[in-house]
Amino acid sequence: GQQLNQSPQSMFIQEGEDVSMNCTSSSIFNTWLWYKQEPGEGPVLLIALYKAGELTSNGRLTAQFGITRKDSFLNISASIPSDVGIYFCAGQLGDSWGKLQFGAGTQVVVTP
Amino acid sequence: EAEVAQSPRYKITEKSQAVAFWCDPISGHATLYWYRQILGQGPELLVQFQDESVVDDSQLPKDRFSAERLKGVDSTLKIQPAELGDSAMYLCASSLAIEVAEAFFGQGTRLTVV
Repeated sequence: GQQLNQSPQSMFIQEGEDVSMNCTSSSIFNTWLWYKQEPGEGPVLLIALYKAGELTSNGRLTAQFGITRKDSFLNISASIPSDVGIYFCAGQLGDSWGKLQFGAGTQVVVTP
Repeated sequence: EAEVAQSPRYKITEKSQAVAFWCDPISGHATLYWYRQILGQGPELLVQFQDESVVDDSQLPKDRFSAERLKGVDSTLKIQPAELGDSAMYLCASSLAIEVAEAFFGQGTRLTVV
């Protein structure tokens, strides 16, 4: 089963607002990934994080690898309608090469 | 742009029938994964291949599911017999190598068992 706790479960925001979501675990991960999934499609990789404390940006998206290695955060700045979708965190345990554990996702709805 | 190809996109089958899904990973990617995603949840790993070898199939229900990657390139996931609870999105992903966590997903196959 999934060991990652992702929150919030859903967010309803107005266009232009910033969005923050996070993922926590009781386990230590050596890699954190963030994906976006739109209805009927596969997840699309947004950001990959490899070091504790690392802060990485991809356009309006910024993600951080938590210092404890047990959490990660994703921020979306100045949201636009095309940001709508489900955002998933995924972590790789230290002894599980390539095997990702996913959170349950955060659904983001952006209203004009 | 390189992408993971999956077919079919949608499949409706009756319970107790056999069903198969196909995946062609990004060219040059040695590692291939099959995930299952139930509606409202994140993907869960079913099987992981490194070239033609199975690295991990501990979460694959082997009484009814099978997966192969005979030539280390494309892969097939089979379910026989299908059960109502198998209805889900089946996602294939690939990564450059087993030590590279960045996995790229295909569009998935939406399976409905009736």
